[in-house]
Amino acid sequence: DAGVIQSPRHEVTEMGQEVTLRCKPISGHDYLFWYRQTMMRGLELLIYFNNNVPIDDSGMPEDRFSAKMPNASFSTLKIQPSEPRDSAVYFCASSFEYGDRTGATGELFFGEGSRLTVL
Amino acid sequence: RKEVEQDPGPFNVPEGATVAFNCTYSNSASQSFFWYRQDCRKEPKLLMSVYSSGNEDGRFTAQLNRASQYISLLIRDSKLSDSATYLCVVINFGNEKLTFGTGTRLTIIP
Repeated sequence: DAGVIQSPRHEVTEMGQEVTLRCKPISGHDYLFWYRQTMMRGLELLIYFNNNVPIDDSGMPEDRFSAKMPNASFSTLKIQPSEPRDSAVYFCASSFEYGDRTGATGELFFGEGSRLTVL
Repeated sequence: RKEVEQDPGPFNVPEGATVAFNCTYSNSASQSFFWYRQDCRKEPKLLMSVYSSGNEDGRFTAQLNRASQYISLLIRDSKLSDSATYLCVVINFGNEKLTFGTGTRLTIIP
């Protein structure tokens, strides 16, 4: 079975350029998460969606970041304009059941990540 | 204070030894707890859930201490393949977010 698919795997860009990261969640999963990982701050939740609707975007660092989920099988995270401090690994993850509700497994399925370097 | 804190390590442990590390959480409303494992330059993957009564999965034992607000992970008879970063994860009651610690790096030495 296909897992969470992210693209691109690696991206090197110059400051000021627009960056678009893409994610295809596991079919049937109704939650999608975007995380950012750096050595200093670890894994930080940026935003998550439930049934394509953004639920919590409080982790989005600033207006330069935006995320969309136009349908159940696709999401994008866009950075415009990009800055060197945005350099990180961006993970997309999906889940069908989690949190504190009965039967929650707490298991997120992560993609392999998109390693972004902004020069 | 961070919501979830871990000793970053690194822990360098000889093969076959037992190693344990803790993770503290600040929110007493925290409800669910997990350990994830992340190999170098790979994505995190669920290792095991942490139940109130403690639980064991092969060489791995997870425990929860609600009074002191920490969870622990014990690895017995460590193997080279256990080398990874171990991430503590907390979910708070009424909140659907998984909050990750920054991880503890473990290296098993031959």
